[in-house]
Amino acid sequence: QQQVKQSPQSLIVQKGGISIINCAYENTAFDYFPWYQQFPGKGPALLIAIRPDVSEKKEGRFTISFNKSAKQFSLHIMDSQPGDSATYFCAASGAWGGSQGNLIFGKGTKLSVKP
Amino acid sequence: EAQVTQNPRYLITVTGKKLTVTCSQNMNHEYMSWYRQDPGLGLRQIYYSMNVEVTDKGDVPEGYKVSRKEKRNFPLILESPSPNQTSLYFCASSSQTPSSGNTIYFGEGSWLTVV
Repeated sequence: QQQVKQSPQSLIVQKGGISIINCAYENTAFDYFPWYQQFPGKGPALLIAIRPDVSEKKEGRFTISFNKSAKQFSLHIMDSQPGDSATYFCAASGAWGGSQGNLIFGKGTKLSVKP
Repeated sequence: EAQVTQNPRYLITVTGKKLTVTCSQNMNHEYMSWYRQDPGLGLRQIYYSMNVEVTDKGDVPEGYKVSRKEKRNFPLILESPSPNQTSLYFCASSSQTPSSGNTIYFGEGSWLTVV
């Protein structure tokens, strides 16, 4: 019930295209959903995050879409660029008894944007 | 500059030889955590600490120990490393628990190989 399921495992997109990564969760106590971006040889870094009181959040070319009833959220990268090539992790956390608010991560999606 | 610093970055060691991976943050953060990253498994939490002298197990604590004697430091100890602990390790910190919406900052990772 604490899992976050992420798909696809890998994704190849042409430059200028739209990259879409999906995540699903079961635990309705989750109330914070961040996405992390990780370049090779680096630690993950926060990209964008959303709370369940909104259905969409946009920052530049990156958008999170959130569907509370379906318990799904997704990352959309518009006008994808080769510099976006990285591994993306979705995550979720919530402050319920015993959780201590720790992040639960998806297994990651390796995105390659072809020139 | 806000930083989470891990050492060593790369280490090859032999089975059974105790080792410590150090982690230090300069942001006066209360929350610190260790993760391991393995192909296809994403980021899994090993241990975390809510504050000085307060530590708790994550999802994969077996074979690891931690301590939090000072706010800035959170070393990861492998008392008797085994080959299945070969992995990429990340230390992370946050001002409070991630569920509060506080950004979690990651170090650059420590590649550990146990032969």
